[in-house]
Amino acid sequence: AQTVTQSQPEMSVQEAETVTLSCTYDTSENNYYLFWYKQPPSRQMILVIRQEAYKQQNATENRFSVNFQKAAKSFSLKISDSQLGDTAMYFCAFMNWAGYALNFGKGTSLLVTP
Amino acid sequence: GAVVSQHPSWVICKSGTSVKIECRSLDFQATTMFWYRQFPKQSLMLMATSNEGSKATYEQGVEKDKFLINHASLTLSTLTVTSAHPEDSSFYICSAYPGTDDSSYNSPLHFGNGTRLTVT
Repeated sequence: AQTVTQSQPEMSVQEAETVTLSCTYDTSENNYYLFWYKQPPSRQMILVIRQEAYKQQNATENRFSVNFQKAAKSFSLKISDSQLGDTAMYFCAFMNWAGYALNFGKGTSLLVTP
Repeated sequence: GAVVSQHPSWVICKSGTSVKIECRSLDFQATTMFWYRQFPKQSLMLMATSNEGSKATYEQGVEKDKFLINHASLTLSTLTVTSAHPEDSSFYICSAYPGTDDSSYNSPLHFGNGTRLTVT
């Protein structure tokens, strides 16, 4: 089974600054999907960004970008110009190519301070 | 966009009773839905995969007789917690892909808003 590791239980960043959340995973597959999800206090799961493993180009979505290192099995999330609304739990997730359920990491609690 | 509705959003029940949670895809059909469980300040753990018209597939360690899943139509899956106990208190979330074929997995997984279950 694939494992997803988020080594930072909690992080803090000042408003307008940049923060990077780390994620590593373990798989023997060559093709797969990786995701970052945001879970604010409302507990709604919100997709932040998605990366297909066969794509070398790192995915970006406005202020959110990833650094995908396939050989190192690393998938970090960079949040630029942090906003107070970015305060949430962030989960890294893995999905195999067959489209099975997501396998989540333990999450990183991000606090954006004024 | 694809919407998944989960009901109720919160429920309190007495120990020994059963509780049913519904997960509906409002504007799309879903062959497969997933049920997750989340304890406070922890990650989402997959409980089972709900397949329309067939038996659910449970993850290791999940009691299928306690957590009954029914996926009777392409838009509705239900999770029934039978003979609930305080340790079943948790946050339950369902999710689904918008589609009924393999191409649906190219779309993002859509989540319901979750159900907070408290067993007293």
